Amino acid sequence: RKEVEQDPGPFNVPEGATVAFNCTYSNSASQSFFWYRQDCRKEPKLLMSVYSSGNEDGRFTAQLNRASQYISLLIRDSKLSDSATYLCVVDTGRRALTFGSGTRLQVQP
Amino acid sequence: NAGVMQNPRHLVRRRGQEARLRCSPMKGHSHVYWYRQLPEEGLKFMVYLQKENIIDESGMPKERFSAEFPKEGPSILRIQQVVRGDSAAYFCASSPSGGTGGGYEQYFGPGTRLTVT
Repeated sequence: RKEVEQDPGPFNVPEGATVAFNCTYSNSASQSFFWYRQDCRKEPKLLMSVYSSGNEDGRFTAQLNRASQYISLLIRDSKLSDSATYLCVVDTGRRALTFGSGTRLQVQP
Repeated sequence: NAGVMQNPRHLVRRRGQEARLRCSPMKGHSHVYWYRQLPEEGLKFMVYLQKENIIDESGMPKERFSAEFPKEGPSILRIQQVVRGDSAAYFCASSPSGGTGGGYEQYFGPGTRLTVT
């Protein structure tokens, strides 16, 4: 079983749609959680850290469920520029980030 | 504020040669991490360094790979006697000092794409 599992997609959605990505992790010792985005094999860019209380940054909302070992990312009012691969990332506290394989999003006009 | 810098951006080596990849962290960051992304795969952690110290090298292949972060200058990832399977994108990240739970988000450089022919 992979340490971090994501649906690879692709998710094809129209502009303006709301889309949600899910991620599960296997190591219950995981302490920190992040969403990154990666465009066309470029460097991963930090989208947001994920906190137990949930957090929101503009159109993006992240949730963490430690009991179920589950992380989610919600994107509202999708833009063409949101097209990318979204990476779910966890850390057990060692700072050696464990990346999911990513979920590909394609926003269509 | 300049981001994480890596060079070269592209590197071509013949089998058996050495590859040296360099990474300069963001200003004010003292922690450096190296990750590898093989074609069609996710990123995998290799090594975590602070100045003059290797903190965690659990992801480094046992042979041919080494990393350093000297007191002065960039961090170096060195691959000796490269083989075709080393062809990948190598990303460096940096973070400021600080404990867990925040303040140590890792920011990535543009990567070095190594091609072994």
